[in-house]
Amino acid sequence: AQSVTQLGSHVSVSEGALVLLRCNYSSSVPPYLFWYVQYPNQGLQLLLKYTTGATLVKGINGFEAEFKKSETSFHLTKPSAHMSDAAEYFCAVSRGSNYKLTFGKGTLLTVNP
Amino acid sequence: KAGVTQTPRYLIKTRGQQVTLSCSPISGHRSVSWYQQTPGQGLQFLFEYFSETQRNKGNFPGRFSGRQFSNSRSEMNVSTLELGDSALYLCASSLALPWEQYFGPGTRLTVT
Repeated sequence: AQSVTQLGSHVSVSEGALVLLRCNYSSSVPPYLFWYVQYPNQGLQLLLKYTTGATLVKGINGFEAEFKKSETSFHLTKPSAHMSDAAEYFCAVSRGSNYKLTFGKGTLLTVNP
Repeated sequence: KAGVTQTPRYLIKTRGQQVTLSCSPISGHRSVSWYQQTPGQGLQFLFEYFSETQRNKGNFPGRFSGRQFSNSRSEMNVSTLELGDSALYLCASSLALPWEQYFGPGTRLTVT
């Protein structure tokens, strides 16, 4: 079985500060890992994904994440937060060719002016 | 290219009724997955269809069912609605790669 733990249900940062959202996973097989963002009253938008290859993954809107197998982590970072980054972020894992995504509980990011 | 569309966007039903939600995938996409999102349980996988066949199913009671048509459009049905079924129901479509799923805006179901 797979699971995802997102540390911190709510993270608050100042505009221009580093954004760090934490995600740890458990998987019995090599995982595919994802970060999604959800704005109010909208669906989920894929920020970035790790499938195979390079462990540092760059996504849209300046976000990146690093797959660390030894730590079973896939933390999301952005060097400088913008007001428009305020949203809820979900980490997810899937098993290879399986289309089922297992999501974490989400982290609500607030950006203060 | 149009994105994933879901209809209706909002729905209010009474306990005991049944409801059908619709999802139109991106043109050419053959896989459609459904998820339930609630504040308490978060995002949970319901089922996935590919070429009219259910390939994967989550841990939901039999009151939740779905189907996919030959044009890849999908519907999900919930019978005998309970208050706990109030949720945002999201569908996602994919061309052929499980790591490239595109989500629709969701249908907000409220059961009173």
